[in-house]
Amino acid sequence: DGGITQSPKYLFRKEGQNVTLSCEQNLNHDAMYWYRQDPGQGLRLIYYSQIVNDFQKGDIAEGYSVSREKKESFPLTVTSAQKNPTAFYLCASSMKTQPQHFGDGTRLSIL
Amino acid sequence: QKEVEQDPGPLSVPEGAIVSLNCTYSNSAFQYFMWYRQYSRKGPELLMYTYSSGNKEDGRFTAQVDKSSKYISLFIRDSQPSDSATYLCAMSGESGGSYIPTFGRGTSLIVHP
Repeated sequence: DGGITQSPKYLFRKEGQNVTLSCEQNLNHDAMYWYRQDPGQGLRLIYYSQIVNDFQKGDIAEGYSVSREKKESFPLTVTSAQKNPTAFYLCASSMKTQPQHFGDGTRLSIL
Repeated sequence: QKEVEQDPGPLSVPEGAIVSLNCTYSNSAFQYFMWYRQYSRKGPELLMYTYSSGNKEDGRFTAQVDKSSKYISLFIRDSQPSDSATYLCAMSGESGGSYIPTFGRGTSLIVHP
């Protein structure tokens, strides 16, 4: 089955710690995206990548970093500089003008 | 003014009702229009995808786009309790060679038996 796999489903971060969220897709999509979802605020774009080895900042990139070394993979690191990381993180992928397909998210909380 | 406006609800209806969900937008460059359904603690699932103006029907779901009014709608006929979810509208147009969608905040729908 083609789809997007996010792991882990739940993640806890300690003070001063970096954590990495995994996103893998087997849809052969060129573009991949990371969103943050907070209650009542909809989806906010963190980073996106349209091709391998290239990515752009979205609306709320501060405190986050990404890499795109393989077409299938787009991991997101939440760094210690992100002071309010508690949220639901969603990864998506798409072809250029086609709609995005989403994974089932990672819920990040602070210990 | 936000680019995409969507009433957050909640919208509560009895089973079997016709549901109307709506979004308005301000960017006339939007050409692609989408509706997603999101259950609690899950990722959004694509329901409908339309290009430009017009209607599209898929089973109990009908999507309408009125570009002249900058208004899109999703109708759900014979609503079921399993339709209870948050519905997100999204739209995109070409910008700098990419088509990054802009999402509404979502409308929470509750269908009670």
